[in-house]
Amino acid sequence: QKEVEQNSGPLSVPEGAIASLNCTYSDRVSQSFFWYRQYSGKSPELIMSIYSNGDKEDGRFTAQLNKASQYVSLLIRDSQPSDSATYLCAVMAGSARQLTFGSGTQLTVLP
Amino acid sequence: GAGVSQTPSNKVTEKGKYVELRCDPISGHTALYWYRQSLGQGPEFLIYFQGTGAADDSGLPNDRFFAVRPEGSVSTLKIQRTERGDSAVYLCASSSGGGDNIQYFGAGTRLSVL
Repeated sequence: QKEVEQNSGPLSVPEGAIASLNCTYSDRVSQSFFWYRQYSGKSPELIMSIYSNGDKEDGRFTAQLNKASQYVSLLIRDSQPSDSATYLCAVMAGSARQLTFGSGTQLTVLP
Repeated sequence: GAGVSQTPSNKVTEKGKYVELRCDPISGHTALYWYRQSLGQGPEFLIYFQGTGAADDSGLPNDRFFAVRPEGSVSTLKIQRTERGDSAVYLCASSSGGGDNIQYFGAGTRLSVL
């Protein structure tokens, strides 16, 4: 079982819709959670970080964390074609400093 | 520089050759990380430096891989006797070492072993 699991996708949503991306993790001592966006052939770019249970909003993006369920999600409101990319969920566990990534979910926003 | 800089952006080599990949972190960032990303996968951790020392090298796949950061800034990832399976994008990230644990990535080096 992979330590960080994501819906493999691809996920397609129409422009203006809400895109919902999900991630589960196996290590209960995980402390820090991140969503990165990666365009094809480019490096990962940080979208959101979240450290405590609940919701965190930044513009059109909302990250949701539920440590009891070992679940973190990313909602993208009013999706735009420019949001089309692979979204990587990353987890930092306990005292470790490295990130453990999921395989990513490919999102396509259709004009 | 403003961001993490990696050179070269592309490296093509032959099986069995030695390669060096360079990473210049964000100025003032004390922590530096190397990851490897294969097609269709998320980045996989290789090694983490805090200052000059390797704080965690548990992700290095074997002893052909080695990394240094002699002055606590620029780091070099060294791969000996390259194999075709080493072909991937090698990503470097740096962070300030603060409590937010946020890592910023460079553009990567695409290594192709023929």
